[in-house]
Amino acid sequence: AQTVTQSQPEMSVQEAETVTLSCTYDTSESNYYLFWYKQPPSRQMILVIRQEAYKQQNATENRFSVNFQKAAKSFSLKISDSQLGDTAMYFCAFITGNQFYFGTGTSLTVIP
Amino acid sequence: NAGVMQNPRHLVRRRGQEARLRCSPMKGHSHVYWYRQLPEEGLKFMVYLQKENIIDESGMPKERFSAEFPKEGPSILRIQQVVRGDSAAYFCASSPSISGANVLTFGAGSRLTVL
Repeated sequence: AQTVTQSQPEMSVQEAETVTLSCTYDTSESNYYLFWYKQPPSRQMILVIRQEAYKQQNATENRFSVNFQKAAKSFSLKISDSQLGDTAMYFCAFITGNQFYFGTGTSLTVIP
Repeated sequence: NAGVMQNPRHLVRRRGQEARLRCSPMKGHSHVYWYRQLPEEGLKFMVYLQKENIIDESGMPKERFSAEFPKEGPSILRIQQVVRGDSAAYFCASSPSISGANVLTFGAGSRLTVL
């Protein structure tokens, strides 16, 4: 079974600080892609970052970076210099075959 | 590029009525996914369609729910005889192919409220 687990339902961080959101997944596939999506209060789903499973190098997008541990099936998201606009639900996801699998989300609040 | 367009954004129905949610994928995208998000929960896969074909409907309830993606026009998610438990946000997403390198682009969602 393909599963995605986000064990932190809620987190908070002070503005300008760094926060890490955890994600683990389970799949028997060897070829897949991993994603973090953000859902702000507007409820629009926005792609934050993606990682190809065959790449060892961790993906980075400006203040967002991942720590991808393939053997451990772990895919955490680090947000540096947190901003108020980062307040949102964050969903970890992966695709294998023709389906995307999503975690239950982590609600992040950036405190001014 | 207008992105993925969903309408209506908000829909209110009484129990027993029908709900139709529409999704126009991004230009050039031929793959459409429907997800349901219940309050305080994550996204649950419902169905994956290509033009005129349902590829995977393993997440669709067996009764009252149906989806189509005709050759012309938007994809439609249809819920017959709605019940209060159908109240949720329904998100449509599209991609140009099934490759993971082509990420899902989401619409803004349609919020269904069943009275």
